[in-house]
Amino acid sequence: EAGVAQSPRYKIIEKRQSVAFWCNPISGHATLYWYQQILGQGPKLLIQFQNNGVVDDSQLPKDRFSAERLKGVDSTLKIQPAKLEDSAVYLCASSPDRDYSYEQYFGPGTRLTVT
Amino acid sequence: KQEVTQIPAALSVPEGENLVLNCSFTDSAIYNLQWFRQDPGKGLTSLLLIQSSQREQTSGRLNASLDKSSGRSTLYIAASQPGDSATYLCALGNYGQNFVFGPGTRLSVLP
Repeated sequence: EAGVAQSPRYKIIEKRQSVAFWCNPISGHATLYWYQQILGQGPKLLIQFQNNGVVDDSQLPKDRFSAERLKGVDSTLKIQPAKLEDSAVYLCASSPDRDYSYEQYFGPGTRLTVT
Repeated sequence: KQEVTQIPAALSVPEGENLVLNCSFTDSAIYNLQWFRQDPGKGLTSLLLIQSSQREQTSGRLNASLDKSSGRSTLYIAASQPGDSATYLCALGNYGQNFVFGPGTRLSVLP
């Protein structure tokens, strides 16, 4: 089966600009996650979707970050306006729910540099 | 709030050694624990998943254990190889708090 797809792989923007990332989860996976990974740290969960609905967005900086999941499949994460501290790798993951294991499968990530 | 630590932060061993990576957590109300490896510039690859009702899982040269009462998990790598060099992260699925990752252990296996 195809893995989690993300694009773009790399993005460089200036502060105060906007940027969007795209994620296509593994087919049939109902749960989708966006993580932020700052260099040298473990990933931090930003938002979790179950089908179309948001399960957890408690760590999403909602004044500048937004996310949506279209028809319970693809998802986009947007930052507007970007700050220097947003420089990180943005990882998307998905989980099947069929056995309630919630094992996560990750995409390759998008490396964002804000200058 | 769940807090996860991984010790050591970095480890360098000669090829062929058996080694243990540690993951400690503060809240035992978890439903699973997952070990990942991350190669530089890459995403995360799942290694082993342990459900809260299990005590260990094995895959090839890897064995992961879970002791919820002491808040610990270990990842045992047998007969290490240079290809095992990567950062290893543990992640906990928590009731009411969702997933929390540790900071990782950076492993170097020297030929």
